[in-house]
Amino acid sequence: KNQVEQSPQSLIILEGKNCTLQCNYTVSPFSNLRWYKQDTGRGPVSLTIMTFSENTKSNGRYTATLDADTKQSSLHITASQLSDSASYICVVSDPGGNKLTFGTGTQLKVEL
Amino acid sequence: KAGVTQTPRYLIKTRGQQVTLSCSPISGHRSVSWYQQTPGQGLQFLFEYFSETQRNKGNFPGRFSGRQFSNSRSEMNVSTLELGDSALYLCASSLAGQVSYNEQFFGPGTRLTVL
Repeated sequence: KNQVEQSPQSLIILEGKNCTLQCNYTVSPFSNLRWYKQDTGRGPVSLTIMTFSENTKSNGRYTATLDADTKQSSLHITASQLSDSASYICVVSDPGGNKLTFGTGTQLKVEL
Repeated sequence: KAGVTQTPRYLIKTRGQQVTLSCSPISGHRSVSWYQQTPGQGLQFLFEYFSETQRNKGNFPGRFSGRQFSNSRSEMNVSTLELGDSALYLCASSLAGQVSYNEQFFGPGTRLTVL
C-alpha cells in the first residue's frame, strides 16, 4: 500500500527561527511531490510542486528538497512568522495520472 | 480570477438524514475532485469528475455520490448520514488533465457535523 508519512506530527517554534519538516513516502514510481499549507478552517494552498527529477524548489521563505533515491522530502521554513502557523501536508502523485496520496500533515505553531 | 467556492460553509445534520454540498470550480477548470478530511486521517479521496463524468473514485461506500454539471459545477451527496461522516469536505479544481500532473486548487471546505 502506498503511504506518505510525515514527521514530526506537531512542532512549536519561536518566531524568527528556522524549522524543517520531513516527508517519507513509499509511492514508487511517482510523477511529482507537492507540499501544501493549510490554515485552520481553510482549504490547502500549494507551496511547491517537484517532479522526480528536481532536487529543490523554493517559494519565498519555503524551500522543499527531494531525494528520490531515499524517498524523502523536506520542507524548510526560514525566519518563521506567526502566519506560518498551519498544517503542512506532503502529497505524492502516481505517474498513472489519477491518484494522489496525502500525508496526515505536520501541525506547526509559531509563537512569540 | 475567483477561486474555488463551496457552499454551505457549515452544516449540522442528524443521523439518517442526507446532505448535498456544492462546489464551483475556478473558471476554465474542468476537473473537480472531492476529499474528506478528518483529524488523524488526513485527506481521503472521494471522487473526481471531468466533463460531467466520474473519472476516478476512492474507497467510500455508495452512500457517497456526486455529479458534475455542464458548467463544471459539482455537487456531492451523502445519504443516510452516520456520526463518522462528520468531517471537513474539500473540493479542488484543476485544468483538464489528470490530477497527478495538474496543480489542484482547493476551496475553503464545508464543515459537516452529524449529531
